[in-house]
Amino acid sequence: GAGVSQSPRYKVTKRGQDVALRCDPISGHVSLYWYRQALGQGPEFLTYFNYEAQQDKSGLPNDRFSAERPEGSISTLTIQRTEQRDSAMYRCASSLLAGGNTIYFGEGSWLTVV
Amino acid sequence: AQSVSQHNHHVILSEAASLELGCNYSYGGTVNLFWYVQYPGQHLQLLLKYFSGDPLVKGIKGFEAEFIKSKFSFNLRKPSVQWSDTAEYFCAVNAQGDYKLSFGAGTTVTVRA
Repeated sequence: GAGVSQSPRYKVTKRGQDVALRCDPISGHVSLYWYRQALGQGPEFLTYFNYEAQQDKSGLPNDRFSAERPEGSISTLTIQRTEQRDSAMYRCASSLLAGGNTIYFGEGSWLTVV
Repeated sequence: AQSVSQHNHHVILSEAASLELGCNYSYGGTVNLFWYVQYPGQHLQLLLKYFSGDPLVKGIKGFEAEFIKSKFSFNLRKPSVQWSDTAEYFCAVNAQGDYKLSFGAGTTVTVRA
């Protein structure tokens, strides 16, 4: 696609429910990144893929968070048993080259856990 | 790990005024530096970047930034702002060779017509 596409743009969920956030990177981009941005803060790194391989998941806050990119294109970030502290904007980005310095962000997915 | 500090949380100014947003980082090695902007309702987009060479970097929409290594700073400037510059601005840094970006908390800029 023309840009990085994320869905849903807005999600309100009840505490304890599972949530899946989707990211469709720019076509042909090798690397895909997930960042999380809490209110009043800058984005923080969560995880990184080259093709389908998850290269780094050091930023995932705990084991309720997981991500996959099974075919090296679309990625899903899943949060199990959501908690109120998970409320944030989740940003996906992609880069043409592996670990490339110029990364392109999507519009983000706002998650609110009530 | 790097950390990034943006000095102003919210800046309000009138059209045609000059803008300067401060950004300092802490990291002892060689870094790449970035400014990103998010206009209302849009995605985060790259404004300009510095990897090496001339420390004065020019970006889109008349923005520029200067890397001062001795001060660990990468301040963003625009001589004359427009109403359309109303946005949130983020400074970011990564170590050369690293893919992880460390972002500042952001500065919201409001330009009054």
